[in-house]
Amino acid sequence: GAGVSQSPSNKVTEKGKDVELRCDPISGHTALYWYRQSLGQGLEFLIYFQGNSAPDKSGLPSDRFSAERTGGSVSTLTIQRTQQEDSAVYLCASSSRGGRETQYFGPGTRLLVL
Amino acid sequence: DQQVKQNSPSLSVQEGRISILNCDYTNSMFDYFLWYKKYPAEGPTFLISISSIKDKNEDGRFTVFLNKSAKHLSLHIVPSQPGDSAVYFCAASAGQMQGAQKLVFGQGTRLTINP
Repeated sequence: GAGVSQSPSNKVTEKGKDVELRCDPISGHTALYWYRQSLGQGLEFLIYFQGNSAPDKSGLPSDRFSAERTGGSVSTLTIQRTQQEDSAVYLCASSSRGGRETQYFGPGTRLLVL
Repeated sequence: DQQVKQNSPSLSVQEGRISILNCDYTNSMFDYFLWYKKYPAEGPTFLISISSIKDKNEDGRFTVFLNKSAKHLSLHIVPSQPGDSAVYFCAASAGQMQGAQKLVFGQGTRLTINP
């Protein structure tokens, strides 16, 4: 399809395990964002990638969270030593070039840490 | 610290009537505001936006009003249709014409249109 895709759609893990979440942005979009939505909260910005520039990691809640974007396309968000408070829906969005270009969101990955 | 607040978790409106969704913000640096719509199991989709230099923006059945002095914006849907039933998120950003547009979202309002 032409939209943003994310995998897996659901992930259940045990506290202390590492998880990897994947995002495939819209082809040709140079900007990629990760957000998360905890229960009862709005979406919270995590990290931003734009082309070959250094990512803006200002929203990452702790050093257990990291993300990379390979080849300017697919991105992986990794959470190490997961905690129960990491349970949330993790959403990826892409836009054609950042700034005020419309962000197109994927369906999200629902993460549950037991 | 919730910088963008949607104080109504849900709203029910009869088909054909006007739906009004409200949003308040606290950060005076916000200068760009958006509404997103979300269906179950899908990501949010962009609906309409407004820059702080305007107080109204209209797109078909959807109109967004911005009251900067009150730090308040609203989304009007007229007439409301059953397909409008969804969760609506208000979002805001500050001075990011380039680079990361870090959207700050409200908690969402679930709108239900009754036939």
